[in-house]
Amino acid sequence: DAGVIQSPRHEVTEMGQEVTLRCKPISGHDYLFWYRQTMMRGLELLIYFNNNVPIDDSGMPEDRFSAKMPNASFSTLKIQPSEPRDSAVYFCASSTESDTQYFGPGTRLTVL
Amino acid sequence: GEDVEQSLFLSVREGDSSVINCTYTDSSSTYLYWYKQEPGAGLQLLTYIFSNMDMKQDQRLTVLLNKKDKHLSLRIADTQTGDSAIYFCAETKGSNSGYALNFGKGTSLLVTP
Repeated sequence: DAGVIQSPRHEVTEMGQEVTLRCKPISGHDYLFWYRQTMMRGLELLIYFNNNVPIDDSGMPEDRFSAKMPNASFSTLKIQPSEPRDSAVYFCASSTESDTQYFGPGTRLTVL
Repeated sequence: GEDVEQSLFLSVREGDSSVINCTYTDSSSTYLYWYKQEPGAGLQLLTYIFSNMDMKQDQRLTVLLNKKDKHLSLRIADTQTGDSAIYFCAETKGSNSGYALNFGKGTSLLVTP
């Protein structure tokens, strides 16, 4: 199994630009999670999906952030417009209902 | 929300045992986890313990759970330089959050020769 796949691995963009992060969960996993990691706040849950449906988006910072899961094998996290304070490592993770979460390698986002 | 608390830094000598401590917040957490993060990498699940257990051993790793005090610890026996990494304690996030996890800020373990 290839594990959770995230792209891109690194993204550098300028303030105000739109950023799209992508995730392919492990096949057969019906839960997908987006986390953000910063030095100050550690790992924070942004949103998670069950069977492609958003269940809890209370961690999404503000309206500039949106996430979609159009099918069981793909999810996106979009930031529009991006700001320097969005700079972080964004992780995607997937699991089955009764199993532990498996994390992708992360996308390191730098907003200048 | 409430925080999962961990000490930020631990330094041990190669061959010694390491003990990383964590205080969690949700007494209804079904599982408690330890994840390892090496520099520039994602999180790797190390081990987990079911909430009705008080100890779990897996090779060099021993997890102790004290539910009364909401205290979790990870002991690494015969610590090696390859164990240098950040270790995260995590609890399941409340009954309405499925299996979403609430993480501590991580303990940086440095193993010196």
